[in-house]
Amino acid sequence: DIQMTQSPSTLSASVGDRVTITCRASQSIGVWLAWYQQKPGKAPKLLIYKASTLETGVPSRFSGSGSGTEFTLTISSLQPDDFATYYCQQYHINVYSFGQGTKLEI
Amino acid sequence: EEQLVESGGGLVKPGGSLRLSCAASGFTFSSYWMHWVRQAPGKGLVWVSRTNSDGSSTSYADSVKGRFTISRDNAKNTLYLQMDSLRAEDTAVYYCAREPEAFDMWGQGTMVTVSS
Repeated sequence: DIQMTQSPSTLSASVGDRVTITCRASQSIGVWLAWYQQKPGKAPKLLIYKASTLETGVPSRFSGSGSGTEFTLTISSLQPDDFATYYCQQYHINVYSFGQGTKLEI
Repeated sequence: EEQLVESGGGLVKPGGSLRLSCAASGFTFSSYWMHWVRQAPGKGLVWVSRTNSDGSSTSYADSVKGRFTISRDNAKNTLYLQMDSLRAEDTAVYYCAREPEAFDMWGQGTMVTVSS
């Protein structure tokens, strides 16, 4: 199975900061990577798919990059609504897997 | 409005069974692969199972293989997860999700608690 490892597990930041979250795959997944945002008590929300394609309606301050085994999610200027937990997910093969999550806190 | 609504969660004893449902509306359900994802209290997301658009192909996480069965009824626009031989570690919120590419729509989740 493909293991997904996110770093850091927790990230402290302030409104207006630029932040980057990294996701590493245990083997190459091409560009078959998605990023999700989850707030407490809510279902996850898709932000980015195919490593860098922004989902419709997602603010442009979110961006994704990478291919193969290393990927990043960048938020260019943190807004109060962005404090949440973020997950990467690979969908390269028939058994999908998520990273362990990165909690973005003030 | 496009929507997924899960139901069927509850409290069940270890070794028991439960069937979850996910009712889809507002889109052509039969065109999409569908998934179940779970999240134990305070923990991360874990993919559980997937079915293709007509139900002819399925896959499972190792942790549930042989115990859980995913199925769908496209005439009723409904996805199912039959869960047998339940264990305490299956306690979680269970979400259904739609996959056109990555999971672009999720239900609100249904809680399953396995406890004696």
